[in-house]
Amino acid sequence: RKEVEQDPGPFNVPEGATVAFNCTYSNSASQSFFWYRQDCRKEPKLLMSVYSSGNEDGRFTAQLNRASQYISLLIRDSKLSDSATYLCVVTSNTGFQKLVFGTGTRLLVSP
Amino acid sequence: EAQVTQNPRYLITVTGKKLTVTCSQNMNHEYMSWYRQDPGLGLRQIYYSMNVEVTDKGDVPEGYKVSRKEKRNFPLILESPSPNQTSLYFCASSSLLQGNEQFFGPGTRLTVL
Repeated sequence: RKEVEQDPGPFNVPEGATVAFNCTYSNSASQSFFWYRQDCRKEPKLLMSVYSSGNEDGRFTAQLNRASQYISLLIRDSKLSDSATYLCVVTSNTGFQKLVFGTGTRLLVSP
Repeated sequence: EAQVTQNPRYLITVTGKKLTVTCSQNMNHEYMSWYRQDPGLGLRQIYYSMNVEVTDKGDVPEGYKVSRKEKRNFPLILESPSPNQTSLYFCASSSLLQGNEQFFGPGTRLTVL
């Protein structure tokens, strides 16, 4: 079983739609959780950290469910510029700074 | 400007010809790492370094070497490249003082013929 699993998609949504991605992780000792965004052939960039109480940044909301070992990302009012691959990232039990990346979920927002 | 730089950005080489991909960061981060990204496999860590002269293997270290003689530089060395090392490589740096956000370089696309 992969340490971090994501639905690869693609998720095809129209502009203005709300879309949600889930990600499951296998290491119950993981301490930190993130969503990264990666545009085609570019480097990943941090979108947001995920906190136990859930957190929101504009149109983006991240949730963590430790009991079920999954995290989610909700995007409201999708924009064309949201088209990208979203990577779920958790810390490994081998070290705080070692990150384990999911393979990503591809989002395509169309006009 | 805070950044991670990598060179070269694109490289086509032949099997067995030693090469080095350089990585440099100007943020005084203690932690640096190398990843490779392949379709369907995501980002996999090759090597990482917790600080100067401290390096350790990641998940896929075979065929690679690294060094960390200075805090800002973390070169990736392929002593004898093989076609299965054809991939997109990213260098990244981070600091616990900055919440462990990993800053990535722009990537190096390597093709080994």
